[in-house]
Amino acid sequence: NAGVTQTPKFQVLKTGQSMTLQCAQDMNHEYMSWYRQDPGMGLRLIHYSVGAGITDQGEVPNGYNVSRSTTEDFPLRLLSAAPSQTSVYFCASRLAGANNEQFFGPGTRLTVL
Amino acid sequence: AQRVTQPEKLLSVFKGAPVELKCNYSYSGSPELFWYVQYSRQRLQLLLRHISRESIKGFTADLNKGETSFHLKKPFAQEEDSAMYYCALNAGGTSYGKLTFGQGTILTVHP
Repeated sequence: NAGVTQTPKFQVLKTGQSMTLQCAQDMNHEYMSWYRQDPGMGLRLIHYSVGAGITDQGEVPNGYNVSRSTTEDFPLRLLSAAPSQTSVYFCASRLAGANNEQFFGPGTRLTVL
Repeated sequence: AQRVTQPEKLLSVFKGAPVELKCNYSYSGSPELFWYVQYSRQRLQLLLRHISRESIKGFTADLNKGETSFHLKKPFAQEEDSAMYYCALNAGGTSYGKLTFGQGTILTVHP
């Protein structure tokens, strides 16, 4: 099992550019989430999904889009990058049901100039 | 809405000293609580969950519903415990897919 994988590991964008952060898991987990990690702010939920075809907004969804066409993949799209989106992005997945562990990907460090 | 508060951004102790990382939560129902740890240059990983009442790497955490707290404790800190620690809450029900995290506490254990 590769677990949760993310690509790319690092990315530099210019303001206004768009891009997609990729996330995949091979554990057949129903739930997948995207977080951003900023100093002093902890991890904040961007979007999440409880299954293929179902997504919902988290705490900080503005400027990001997601889709979940398969169980394995949960890409995060930045529509028009802004410097405020400079952050480390983590994808995570878990099985449905109570008290199940959430598994995290290695993160993508994004800088928007 | 649920909220998790970790009042200490930084915590420094010496090797062998007791350590307590504080976590308070706000949620009206029955929460699922977790501690996650992130060692330098590694991904976040689960340390403890309240339902298990287990001790991992010498750490324990007890859910106190009266004080709405889930503090993480270890009687004798080790240098390898130096890391970022996050307390997290899952509100359950239809929110099973998402966790709410605290701001995190950076623990540094000095030799």
